[in-house]
Amino acid sequence: DAGVIQSPRHEVTEMGQEVTLRCKPISGHNSLFWYRQTMMRGLELLIYFNNNVPIDDSGMPEDRFSAKMPNASFSTLKIQPSEPRDSAVYFCASRPPGQGNEQFFGPGTRLTVL
Amino acid sequence: GIQVEQSPPDLILQEGANSTLRCNFSDSVNNLQWFHQNPWGQLINLFYIPSGTKQNGRLSATTVATERYSLLYISSSQTTDSGVYFCAVSFWNQGGKLIFGQGTELSVKP
Repeated sequence: DAGVIQSPRHEVTEMGQEVTLRCKPISGHNSLFWYRQTMMRGLELLIYFNNNVPIDDSGMPEDRFSAKMPNASFSTLKIQPSEPRDSAVYFCASRPPGQGNEQFFGPGTRLTVL
Repeated sequence: GIQVEQSPPDLILQEGANSTLRCNFSDSVNNLQWFHQNPWGQLINLFYIPSGTKQNGRLSATTVATERYSLLYISSSQTTDSGVYFCAVSFWNQGGKLIFGQGTELSVKP
């Protein structure tokens, strides 16, 4: 299996621009997670989906952030408008059925907002 | 309060030395994972270990769920072991999301 696939791997944009991050989970996994890693806050969950339905979005920082999962093999995380404080590494992870099962992480997208 | 606490925060070893990293957690868990974040930023799954003991080469891990801690052992360390080691847990009442510790930054010197 190819593992969790994320794109782009690096993104540099200017403040105010829209940013879209993409994730393809591992085939057969029914849960998808978006995490963010910053120096100040470490790794923290933004949102997760179960069977394409958002379950917990309590970590989404504000209305500028939105996430969708239109089907079992694709998810997006969008920031509009972007701000310099959004600069971070964004990880996507997926998990097979079962709440306590192992999560597998993608390579991450390093976002820099100038 | 702190939900996942790792110690030590930093560790410097000479190549060939052994080390033990600790992870304490505040409630019952249904998942515990150890990760290695390499210098390129990738999170590498080391162990899925909500309870019991596992070994993989020079690495082994033990989780004592009833006492709410896990240990990661690195034996005969190599320079390629350098990086940040994270413990992450999923609590039974929180739907399966992983809560990460702050990590242990390991530096192995030749």
